[in-house]
Amino acid sequence: GENVEQHPSTLSVQEGDSAVIKCTYSDSASNYFPWYKQELGKRPQLIIDIRSNVGEKKDQRIAVTLNKTAKHFSLHITETQPEDSAVYFCAARASGGSYIPTFGRGTSLIVHP
Amino acid sequence: NAGVTQTPKFQVLKTGQSMTLQCAQDMNHNSMYWYRQDPGMGLRLIYYSASEGTTDKGEVPNGYNVSRLNKREFSLRLESAAPSQTSVYFCASSESRGLEAFFGQGTRLTVV
Repeated sequence: GENVEQHPSTLSVQEGDSAVIKCTYSDSASNYFPWYKQELGKRPQLIIDIRSNVGEKKDQRIAVTLNKTAKHFSLHITETQPEDSAVYFCAARASGGSYIPTFGRGTSLIVHP
Repeated sequence: NAGVTQTPKFQVLKTGQSMTLQCAQDMNHNSMYWYRQDPGMGLRLIYYSASEGTTDKGEVPNGYNVSRLNKREFSLRLESAAPSQTSVYFCASSESRGLEAFFGQGTRLTVV
């Protein structure tokens, strides 16, 4: 089955800096890569996703890049703000089998004012 | 529009007790899921239901059973709770398998 590795497990930045979270996946058939944000005590919520036919996608201060050859994808957050502090999960969904995404273990992002 | 609703929000069980976690969605989604979240382990899939009438095991199904009661409802049952099942449980749904998932607010379960 799919295996998703996520790094780093903890990321601490100053307000205004950029943050980058990286994930690698094992199944070359994976074709959908969502990112979820989970604030403390809250439910995970989708913030951005990318499909395998696209190399990059942006939404205001967040962007996701995908390198299919290397089987890795990254979340980029620019001009970080304290409200970006949360746990971020990446996931990868294969185009066959169960079609159920496998999640990474999460990155705790802390933005210091 | 409530989205995905889980009950209860908190529960304490004694070892060996049983309970059922309830989940309902009002988005007419086909697929529903149960995850457990433990520190440092991310979200691990317990069971899922790709469509009404079907259920399948996920990564960590041992000690759990599920029922897809109808299109809206998907319940998770612990027959004989163990301390290792202390966790936060999330129900989720999506329009089709594996795409954007909408999560419930979670159930914090403690087994003593």
